[in-house]
Amino acid sequence: NAGVMQNPRHLVRRRGQEARLRCSPVKGHSHVYWYRQLPEEGLKFMVYLQKENIIDESGMPKERFSAEFPKEGPSILRIQQVVRGDSAAYFCASSPSPTSQGRNTEAFFGQGTRLTVV
Amino acid sequence: SQQGEEDPQALSIQEGENATMNCSYKTSINNLQWYRQNSGRGLVHLILIRSNEREKHSGRLRVTLDTSKKSSSLLITASRAADTASYFCATVIGGRSKLTFGKGITLSVRP
Repeated sequence: NAGVMQNPRHLVRRRGQEARLRCSPVKGHSHVYWYRQLPEEGLKFMVYLQKENIIDESGMPKERFSAEFPKEGPSILRIQQVVRGDSAAYFCASSPSPTSQGRNTEAFFGQGTRLTVV
Repeated sequence: SQQGEEDPQALSIQEGENATMNCSYKTSINNLQWYRQNSGRGLVHLILIRSNEREKHSGRLRVTLDTSKKSSSLLITASRAADTASYFCATVIGGRSKLTFGKGITLSVRP
């Protein structure tokens, strides 16, 4: 009964390359959230997706960043033309229902992908 | 600006002692959650308290919520070296589903 699986755990990209981060939620969870954590900082919300739909992308930079959660397969966070400032740990979380409603509002987090841009 | 602000930023205690960590927030919340993060790892959910609740217990953890003061506290009793980690409070506001995190508290428990 696997939890949230993220891969890769570590990713090194040169400036200008693309980074693709994958997240497989807990089986049966249809709500996925992406967060970014800079060193010595808390997590900052990026985007909330529910199967095939972007519900809230208020934390996503306007350019170069995109996210999807297709009907089949993992959620993908894509960063195009990476810059040094994109270096951070990116965490994915999933929940069986929105974290604002109902009884099952706990979010389960993956181990994160640590992106280093050189 | 941060919705959740934890206090203190760092805490060092002896094994067996109690650890108290505080979190203050700015706007009305739906619920407040505490998470633990071990170095280099993901976050582990510890406990959730809803806006209409005042206190919750889970094992050695006790969480209180004072909505009039917009603050919460996490108490870890009889601490262990394995409790060494960063602790974050996160709030859920209204109908929004995102968690808004504070910067965290670094807890060190000396054996």
